[in-house]
Amino acid sequence: KNQVEQSPQSLIILEGKNCTLQCNYTVSPFSNLRWYKQDTGRGPVSLTIMTFSENTKSNGRYTATLDADTKQSSLHITASQLSDSASYICVVSEGDNNDMRFGAGTRLTVKP
Amino acid sequence: NAGVTQTPKFQVLKTGQSMTLQCAQDMNHEYMSWYRQDPGMGLRLIHYSVGAGITDQGEVPNGYNVSRSTTEDFPLRLLSAAPSQTSVYFCASSSPSSEKLFFGSGTQLSVL
Repeated sequence: KNQVEQSPQSLIILEGKNCTLQCNYTVSPFSNLRWYKQDTGRGPVSLTIMTFSENTKSNGRYTATLDADTKQSSLHITASQLSDSASYICVVSEGDNNDMRFGAGTRLTVKP
Repeated sequence: NAGVTQTPKFQVLKTGQSMTLQCAQDMNHEYMSWYRQDPGMGLRLIHYSVGAGITDQGEVPNGYNVSRSTTEDFPLRLLSAAPSQTSVYFCASSSPSSEKLFFGSGTQLSVL
């Protein structure tokens, strides 16, 4: 079983709407959690990184939250744009050796 | 800076053929790594290197070899390609002071 589970697997929203993507993890000990955006045919690009002591971090219209107690994170996208169409990948690093565990991603489609 | 450059973009092999996927970065990053990305699964680490002359195995190293003769280059070799190696391959790099991985644009490999 993957140590990083993302939901939903895919999501379709209309341009201008907000959405929230979920990431649950079992990785322990925890070091940090990152969200990446991967456009079709491209490599992932970093959006945010959060450590244990951080519970929210923003990058423009992207806001990530972290609850290290429940081992959950979310990525909230505000006022979606067509260019937000991509896969969003949650990555959790283990505390001891910083090994990264990748979620399978959420495929977001923003329609006009 | 070009960042992380991968070649080729696409490749089709027959079972048993060998080939090398090229990866180069111009950011003077010590850490480089190779991942494979399969449908419905998170990125999985194949091999990584923490500096020139140093390589180590990741989660799924079987069937792949790497070398790191320079800081800039980190080629991935398939010695005898198998259909199970059909995947999208990503090279990534980072520095100790950086909190994020920089990914190449990927190589889509099909083994028939």
